[in-house]
Amino acid sequence: EPEVTQTPSHQVTQMGQEVILRCVPISNHLYFYWYRQILGQKVEFLVSFYNNEISEKSEIFDDQFSVERPDGSNFTLKIRSTKLEDSAMYFCASSEAGGRGLPQHFGDGTRLSIL
Amino acid sequence: QKEVEQNSGPLSVPEGAIASLNCTYSDRGSQSFFWYRQYSGKSPELIMSIYSNGDKEDGRFTAQLNKASQYVSLLIRDSQPSDSATYLCAVIGSVFNKFYFGSGTKLNVKP
Repeated sequence: EPEVTQTPSHQVTQMGQEVILRCVPISNHLYFYWYRQILGQKVEFLVSFYNNEISEKSEIFDDQFSVERPDGSNFTLKIRSTKLEDSAMYFCASSEAGGRGLPQHFGDGTRLSIL
Repeated sequence: QKEVEQNSGPLSVPEGAIASLNCTYSDRGSQSFFWYRQYSGKSPELIMSIYSNGDKEDGRFTAQLNKASQYVSLLIRDSQPSDSATYLCAVIGSVFNKFYFGSGTKLNVKP
């Protein structure tokens, strides 16, 4: 069964550094998403991406964050000037195109630890 | 106002019993509803989707939707210890392709 893959599984970064989280969505999916889950808290929507542009973003997704689809397969989340509170599990998800809201399929996540 | 609300639990049921998980949502324009299961330290795993009022069954799982009451539930029949996890209700609101997750209900199935 096709799956969303994320790398790395765990990223440790010094505060103030930039980090790039990588995702390969399911190949025939056209909608891509990033979510964040701080330990013990709920899954929070960050951003959705379609047709090479952001379609929706949450209030969490400020100027510190950016997303990119640099080629036909990868989807990346860049976090600049990382802060301690950016420590969380980051999930990438993808869904098929369609007029109706279709389920999103999640990758295994990247655990980001800011020191 | 929280978009999606769930009782955090934990909900404890004996093995073989029916587990009932509930969720309410605030956006009356919501059209798509999903249940995900999340084991500790793992990613959310889709269990069921439901779009129309009524019941939808898939194996031991039944999702129920009542749009008038803005309520969606998940029933797990013949609960197994392997069902012990956090169950997340997710809703796509009026804004297409923006998921709102509830905080999840932790289910413990005791052998």
